[in-house]
Amino acid sequence: DTAVSQTPKYLVTQMGNDKSIKCEQNLGHDTMYWYKQDSKKFLKIMFSYNNKELIINETVPNRFSPKSPDKAHLNLHINSLELGDSAVYFCASSDRDNSPLHFGNGTRLTVT
Amino acid sequence: GQSLEQPSEVTAVEGAIVQINCTYQTSGFYGLSWYQQHDGGAPTFLSYNALDGLEETGRFSSFLSRSDSYGYLLLQELQMKDSASYFCAVTYSSASKIIFGSGTRLSIRP
Repeated sequence: DTAVSQTPKYLVTQMGNDKSIKCEQNLGHDTMYWYKQDSKKFLKIMFSYNNKELIINETVPNRFSPKSPDKAHLNLHINSLELGDSAVYFCASSDRDNSPLHFGNGTRLTVT
Repeated sequence: GQSLEQPSEVTAVEGAIVQINCTYQTSGFYGLSWYQQHDGGAPTFLSYNALDGLEETGRFSSFLSRSDSYGYLLLQELQMKDSASYFCAVTYSSASKIIFGSGTRLSIRP
């Protein structure tokens, strides 16, 4: 199936740990994103990559480090997890500026 | 600035029509999109307006007035499955930047 897929779906971990979330799209899109959705459902852009190049970094703490090995993948590594990092993280892609975003199913991160 | 405002909650009756409004700040505005998100699901694209006027897609229509920095999503013949959160999102001219509103939770009564 053509889609944006992210793993894992659920991630429960303790404060201070380091974790990664993986995202892959087989839609042939050039641009990929990470969004964070908090408990109030506010969707906040974190990062945007175009063809492996970082385009947007929305004042995200440097504990968050995105990595794009190729234009079909955008992974998110988080160091020293904090309680406030608990949220649903969505990966998304689009094929050019101003085209619709295609979202993955989200990763629910719970930090205890 | 780049912020959007939309109502937090709207309630409507099955079969009725509902309008969800969105106002935005104009700095760098390029286009307005709407997304639907069911509980536990991912946002899915509904519509996009770059020019003034009404775009119709089945039961859903979206309107944009650039001069008023305002748009709305119109849902007709409401069905129970339309109960979801609806987000307006603005594309800004700085590359690949799409900012979402805080979402409107639509509840539909039988």
